[in-house]
This record gives sequence, structure tokens and C-alpha cells, in this order.
Amino acid sequence: EDQVTQSPEALRLQEGESSSLNCSYTVSGLRGLFWYRQDPGKGPEFLFTLYSAGEEKEKERLKATLTKKESFLHITAPKPEDSATYLCAVQGPNYGGSQGNLIFGKGTKLSVKP
Amino acid sequence: DTEVTQTPKHLVMGMTNKKSLKCEQHMGHRAMYWYKQKAKKPPELMFVYSYEKLSINESVPSRFSPECPNSSLLNLHLHALQPEDSALYLCASSQEFSGGVPDTQYFGPGTRLTVL
Repeated sequence: EDQVTQSPEALRLQEGESSSLNCSYTVSGLRGLFWYRQDPGKGPEFLFTLYSAGEEKEKERLKATLTKKESFLHITAPKPEDSATYLCAVQGPNYGGSQGNLIFGKGTKLSVKP
Repeated sequence: DTEVTQTPKHLVMGMTNKKSLKCEQHMGHRAMYWYKQKAKKPPELMFVYSYEKLSINESVPSRFSPECPNSSLLNLHLHALQPEDSALYLCASSQEFSGGVPDTQYFGPGTRLTVL
């Protein structure tokens, strides 16, 4: 069964304290892995799409990497405004009625204290 | 521009009411989605429209009725809901559905629904 597991469930950092969030997955034929940021009561905000192992993408203080089994979201020198829940989702190959479905992890809630 | 808009932002309804949620995108995307999200849970897929045709219905109760009037608009008609249907309802769109490359989904801000 396809699964996505994110760790840790919650992470508390001091401002400027760099760290990483993990997303491990088991899916046959990964088509893409996505990172989203979600603020309370808001819709997920797209951050990155990763297609293949070895790929890396950066945006401001965030850097996403992908291997054949997991993805990391590295946060460098975080600020309080980076506080949010970070969701990872994977997209498997086309098959039957589940084509294009995203399989979400449960998210990592990040809190950055000043 | 990667904006998906949703109205209303908040909705309170009784169990006998009929209401509709609306979603709009002007990115030329041909796939649109409805998700339901409960507190502290990830989004759960409800429906997928591809080229204005319903492609996936994830066994959603008939009190939820989706409609795609054109490629830019998506509605979700609500009737005889239960209190447990209270949640954040999210609309998303992507360029294609089941394309050969990953289809990045862009989400709207959501409608907070409360059923009394």
C-alpha cells in the first residue's frame, strides 16, 4: 500500500536554528513529490515539486531534496514567519480510478520562536 | 499567476439548508478538485474533474453534489448535511490530470463550513 510518513510531527526551533523535516514514502513508480506550506485555517500553499532522485530545489530559506525513499525540507536560519504546517504529498503512476491522486503525509507542525 | 479563489470564506448552515460552494481559476487548468480537511488532518480527496467531466468520486455521500459548469468554475452543492461534515473545504486545480509528468495542484484558500 502506498504510504507517506512525515517526521517529526512537531518541531520547535529558535529563530536562526537550522533544521530538516523528513518525508519518507513507499509508492510504486513515483511520478512526483510535492511540498506545501499550510497556515491555520488556510489552503495549502505550493512550495516545490520534485520529479526524480537527486533533484534539489530552493526558495529563500527552504531547500527540498529527493532520494528514492525520502525527501528532506531543509530550513536555514528560520524566522517566526516560517511557522506553519508543512505537508508532503506524493503522486503515483497513472492507474485505474486513482490517476493523479495525491497521497498526503500528516504534516510537520513547525514553530519558530524569536 | 497561480491563484485559485473560493467563495464564501465562511459558511454556517443548518441540516435542512441547501447551499453551494464556488471555486474559480483562470490559469487555463483542465483539472479541478474538491478536498475536505478536518482539523489537524491532511486534505482528503472528494472529487476530480478533468476537462469538465467527473473523473473520480471518492465514495462521497450524495448530500455533496459537484458541478463543473465550465473549465474555470467548480461548484459543490450541499444539501441535508450532518454536523460531522463541518470542515475546511478546499478547491484545487492542475494543468492536467493523469498527464505524463507530475501535475502540481494549486489550492484555494478554502471555505470553513460549520453545520449546526
